[in-house]
Amino acid sequence: AQRVTQPEKLLSVFKGAPVELKCNYSYSGSPELFWYVQYSRQRLQLLLRHISRESIKGFTADLNKGETSFHLKKPFAQEEDSAMYYCALTISGANNLFFGTGTRLTVIP
Amino acid sequence: DTEVTQTPKHLVMGMTNKKSLKCEQHMGHRAMYWYKQKAKKPPELMFVYSYEKLSINESVPSRFSPECPNSSLLNLHLHALQPEDSALYLCASSQDQWAANYGYTFGSGTRLTVV
Repeated sequence: AQRVTQPEKLLSVFKGAPVELKCNYSYSGSPELFWYVQYSRQRLQLLLRHISRESIKGFTADLNKGETSFHLKKPFAQEEDSAMYYCALTISGANNLFFGTGTRLTVIP
Repeated sequence: DTEVTQTPKHLVMGMTNKKSLKCEQHMGHRAMYWYKQKAKKPPELMFVYSYEKLSINESVPSRFSPECPNSSLLNLHLHALQPEDSALYLCASSQDQWAANYGYTFGSGTRLTVV
């Protein structure tokens, strides 16, 4: 069965510092991986997906199949990055999205 | 229109009441979803509709009854709920069930309180 693990419930960094939010997954096949973000009082939004290899708001994430990881990184954190971040997985061709437990990021001014 | 709209935003209902949650999208998406999110927990899938047909029911109690009248609308009918059903109910959509890799668009949710 597929599973998504985000080991850190809370993460605090200073403004301008690098940030890395960890995500590990377990699935024997080829998963599709995403990062979703939920800002305070806003809806859950897609931040980025691994298949597009894009950078959104300065965030990037690389799929490491050897380590089964999909960590989210940003070189210089901004205050507006403070939010709840969810790593999520779906199986290609399926229509179920499995979420990790989330990491609440706080960027300290 | 690139949004998923959910109404009402807040709902308080008694355990004997019948109420409905509504979800609407006009992006031409053919897959729609209901998720339940308890406080400080990730969203959990309840139902999936694909081309207006129920394709996944994640063992949800029968007091929750989904309905997809057309490709733009998704309802969740509630009856005889329990206090532990209090949660944020999220609706989402995607282009179709095979395009979930493009990501889902989520609504802002209905915060349900059962008293």
